[in-house]
Amino acid sequence: DTAVSQTPKYLVTQMGNDKSIKCEQNLGHDTMYWYKQDSKKFLKIMFSYNNKELIINETVPNRFSPKSPDKAHLNLHINSLELGDSAVYFCASSQVGLANPGELFFGEGSRLTVL
Amino acid sequence: AQTVTQSQPEMSVQEAETVTLSCTYDTSENNYYLFWYKQPPSRQMILVIRQEAYKQQNATENRFSVNFQKAAKSFSLKISDSQLGDTAMYFCAFMIPQGAQKLVFGQGTRLTINP
Repeated sequence: DTAVSQTPKYLVTQMGNDKSIKCEQNLGHDTMYWYKQDSKKFLKIMFSYNNKELIINETVPNRFSPKSPDKAHLNLHINSLELGDSAVYFCASSQVGLANPGELFFGEGSRLTVL
Repeated sequence: AQTVTQSQPEMSVQEAETVTLSCTYDTSENNYYLFWYKQPPSRQMILVIRQEAYKQQNATENRFSVNFQKAAKSFSLKISDSQLGDTAMYFCAFMIPQGAQKLVFGQGTRLTINP
């Protein structure tokens, strides 16, 4: 049973299109994240939600819009895709607290290729 | 702002050897956490080891141990008796324990264990 699952795993699309990536976690965690990993493997946080509330919003173009319908789901919608958006997008979840600080559970990633 | 630097893009050792991965960081905070995460070729990141800055004792997890030098802002990972399954990207990460669990990652080190 996959703990953090993302769909789709691969996405190839044309510049200018709009696409969404979905993420679901079955760990009962209260916090979810989106990270972007570029072609040089550099990982950078984009957004984080805690119980459906946006708590981290890094410097990301407003073409990127996260949505959290409930604490088990965090989706990422991207408008007007650009070549530079090509990357692997990772969803993650954690339970904020003192028990296991900084232990994030990651999905397998969604590789987005913009042509 | 906090930064994390991994100066070794790639490393390669023979199976059963010991290997040390380097990481330095920059922060003005006194209380923080440091981590090593592993990203195997299947791409799902997992937490390897965690160190709390206020603890002087170096963390160990089976074959994995760290050398935490707070004054030097250095946090290296030692893998003893390396195994083929240790082949992966290894990321050093930093976190301040306030509110959202925002991890700041280094650039990663690609480690290959050769048979």
